[in-house]
Amino acid sequence: EVQLVESGGGLVQPGRSLRLSCTASGFTFGDYAMSWVRQAPGKGLEWVGFIRSKAYGGTTEYAASVKGRFTISRDDSKSIAYLQMNSLKTEDTAVYYCTREVVAATGSDYWGQGTLVTVSS
Amino acid sequence: AIQLTQSPSSLSASVGDRVTITCRASQGISSALAWYQQKPGKAPKLLIYDASSLESGVPSRFSGSGSGTDFTLTISSLQPEDFATYYCQQFNSYPHVMYTFGQGTKLEIK
Repeated sequence: EVQLVESGGGLVQPGRSLRLSCTASGFTFGDYAMSWVRQAPGKGLEWVGFIRSKAYGGTTEYAASVKGRFTISRDDSKSIAYLQMNSLKTEDTAVYYCTREVVAATGSDYWGQGTLVTVSS
Repeated sequence: AIQLTQSPSSLSASVGDRVTITCRASQGISSALAWYQQKPGKAPKLLIYDASSLESGVPSRFSGSGSGTDFTLTISSLQPEDFATYYCQQFNSYPHVMYTFGQGTKLEIK
């Protein structure tokens, strides 16, 4: 059974950093691109970014709103994807979801349960 | 950046109704579009990928169509469990990768 479990969320002050983890199981993690999507309280979904599989270079792409502040990485030996968030702003407050991308198609077929990040002084 | 506009933003319907939700892209994206269903407090669930391919395990009353700039999600006969919020997402990679979501359509019971 495919499972994605996010961890690392919590309360953080503006300007500080936080790292989220997404631990995967039930599939060959290294074969898949992984994405992060967030949802502010009561709002819609916002794509944050993704990391390609090593077969496609392991490169990353980011939304304009987080580019230069957030970094996505992966450790295929541990089946974990990371979201390093620096210079956090109050508007980064959201539930952050980790997702698995459908191979050679467009869509995220598995989602984690999400982890809440609250940026507040 | 490509914008996605969903219509309507909200919709009231009855069990058994046929419902159509539209997603319009600000420029052509071929068939690079997915549809998701989200219920309160839960993670989204993939319904349709590549604009018209039904995800495994999703009931056949859900269907997707369209290409270029205009896309639709149709539920042929609403069931009680279908009342939720629906989002489209585009996967355009030119000139920049930017996988934006539509603003959502809330489907409520009439």
